[in-house]
Parts: sequence; structure tokens; C-alpha cells
Amino acid sequence: GESVGLHLPTLSVQEGDNSIINCAYSNSASDYFIWYKQESGKGPQFIIDIRSNMDKRQGQRVTVLLNKTVKHLSLQIAATQPGDSAVYFCAENRGSNYKLTFGKGTLLTVNP
Amino acid sequence: SQTIHQWPATLVQPVGSPLSLECTVEGTSNPNLYWYRQAAGRGLQLLFYSVGIGQISSEVPQNLSASRPQDRQFILSSKKLLLSDSGFYLCAWRDPQNSGELFFGEGSRLTVL
Repeated sequence: GESVGLHLPTLSVQEGDNSIINCAYSNSASDYFIWYKQESGKGPQFIIDIRSNMDKRQGQRVTVLLNKTVKHLSLQIAATQPGDSAVYFCAENRGSNYKLTFGKGTLLTVNP
Repeated sequence: SQTIHQWPATLVQPVGSPLSLECTVEGTSNPNLYWYRQAAGRGLQLLFYSVGIGQISSEVPQNLSASRPQDRQFILSSKKLLLSDSGFYLCAWRDPQNSGELFFGEGSRLTVL
């Protein structure tokens, strides 16, 4: 069936290290992908997005990589900071209504 | 700038009682509006989607309903709450003329006892 999942439910890194959060999707028709950050008790916040006609997109300290061949999405965070500690969700979209399908999330913990 | 407001932020209700969660968006017109539910430690599940006033699409069978009486107002309701309705409810909006990004509110935490 259609699903968006994450390889690792938790990730612990040292402050200053780079973090990589992975996501697998199964629907090859998905054309838009997005990463959200959710802090405890708050709504998700947009981090970065990418369309299926791209394989890499960079933002401020973040990079999203899309590998359509293996249906894999990753979020790279450079020089991870304590403020990056949160749950990170990937989401996929198929179609024009943008009814995003979310994965279960990865909890990122940054150790000082 | 655009903003989205949800209320109440927290709610504790007995089983069988009614529910009304409200969401309003400011600074935009004709937004797409969404209600998601997030169970503890889980991802977000889409409940309802609306492209305009009075136009509601239900994504999963459930004990809840949604209404959009005004362009920028989205209401989530229930006549009789179940224990399984407990969760974190998130409203979101999107500008259909721009990118696919959904902007989320701060959420409403519902506990049904």
C-alpha cells in the first residue's frame, strides 16, 4: 500500500556534528516531498521541500536529497545545535490537493 | 503576514460529550484548510480537507465532522466523544496559488476521560 516511513525512530548526535534523517516512501507517483520539524506540544514547522524533478535542494544548514530510484528521502542538518532537538517528519504528496501523507517521525536529540 | 489560530489549546472532556474545535486563518483568502490528528508518538493523520466554504472532504471514517462556515474558518466537531478521540488536533492551511507547503497551527490537545 501507499506509505511513508522512517528508517530510525530515534537519532542522538553530539552538538556540532552533522545529522542525517532518512525516510522511505513507496508511492512512485508522489511528486512533492516536505520535511517538518515538531517541537514538543507545538505544531509542525516547515523546514524544506523538494519536487520530484529535483534530486537535491539546500536551505540554511539543511539539505534534502531525493533518490527516486530507491524511493528514498533524506534530511541533512549541518552543525547540529541543541535547538534542533525535535521530532522530524517527512511527508509526501500525490496530486493537486496537497493532502500530505506523513511518516511516523524521527526524534532527534542533540547532546551538548 | 498570514497567521493561523486554533482554540482551545487544551481540552478535557467526558465520554459522550460534544466537541467543537475552531481554527481561523488571517491574511489570506480562499485557503485550502486541513484538520489532522496526531496520536501520541505517531505521525499525522489527515481527517478533513476543504477547498472552499461548505466544501468538506472526509478522509477517514470516524466519529468527527468538520464544517467551514466562512472562508477562513474551519471547525471540527463531534456530537458524542469517544475515548479513542483523544489526541492532538492540528489545523493547517495552504495557499492553492503557491507551493505545496502546509502551515500548521499550534494544535489543540484533547483528552477524553
